[in-house]
Amino acid sequence: GAGVSQSPSNKVTEKGKDVELRCDPISGHTALYWYRQSLGQGLEFLIYFQGNSAPDKSGLPSDRFSAERTGGSVSTLTIQRTQQEDSAVYLCASSFQGAGNQPQHFGDGTRLSIL
Amino acid sequence: GDSVTQMEGPVTLSEEAFLTINCTYTATGYPSLFWYVQYPGEGLQLLLKATKADDKGSNKGFEATYRKETTSFHLEKGSVQVSDSAVYFCALRGAAGNKLTFGGGTRVLVKP
Repeated sequence: GAGVSQSPSNKVTEKGKDVELRCDPISGHTALYWYRQSLGQGLEFLIYFQGNSAPDKSGLPSDRFSAERTGGSVSTLTIQRTQQEDSAVYLCASSFQGAGNQPQHFGDGTRLSIL
Repeated sequence: GDSVTQMEGPVTLSEEAFLTINCTYTATGYPSLFWYVQYPGEGLQLLLKATKADDKGSNKGFEATYRKETTSFHLEKGSVQVSDSAVYFCALRGAAGNKLTFGGGTRVLVKP
């Protein structure tokens, strides 16, 4: 079946602009995660959604970052007033449940470049 | 907090050589442990997992055993191929949490 789908695959924007990144998880997966992969910081957790529960936002690096998940499916990560340090690959993952032994399946990511 | 430490690369090997990538972790309770692989130009893929002590995960000739006494989850393959060239990430998922905590990744290059 279809895997985790992310769009766009690449995004180049000017410093100070807002960007929206989209994630479409695997059908039936109730848990959705956003991570960031950058040269200096490796792979970092950003935010986690599980069903209708309040999201775990503990990994968001600043209040310029926000995410929502509508209808328990598609999620959008928004970065406001982008800075050069926001340049990274943003990865979305989903899993069948939020339980610890359920593997997370990753999308191909959105490569974000801030000029 | 939780953390994962894995050996730095790059690791350069010849085809058919034995590969070991060391991974140790710090976590409270009983985490689940994972190895993910990222082939050139591709996304992260789950390679194998182990969810409790002494479990052995295996896939594509790779193996890793969950060692609670040494808090380790070393990845091994007996005979690597050029197609195994990739970046390998060790990760844990805490018993109480949901996020994955990753190691820094190890780049492996297998030469013919």
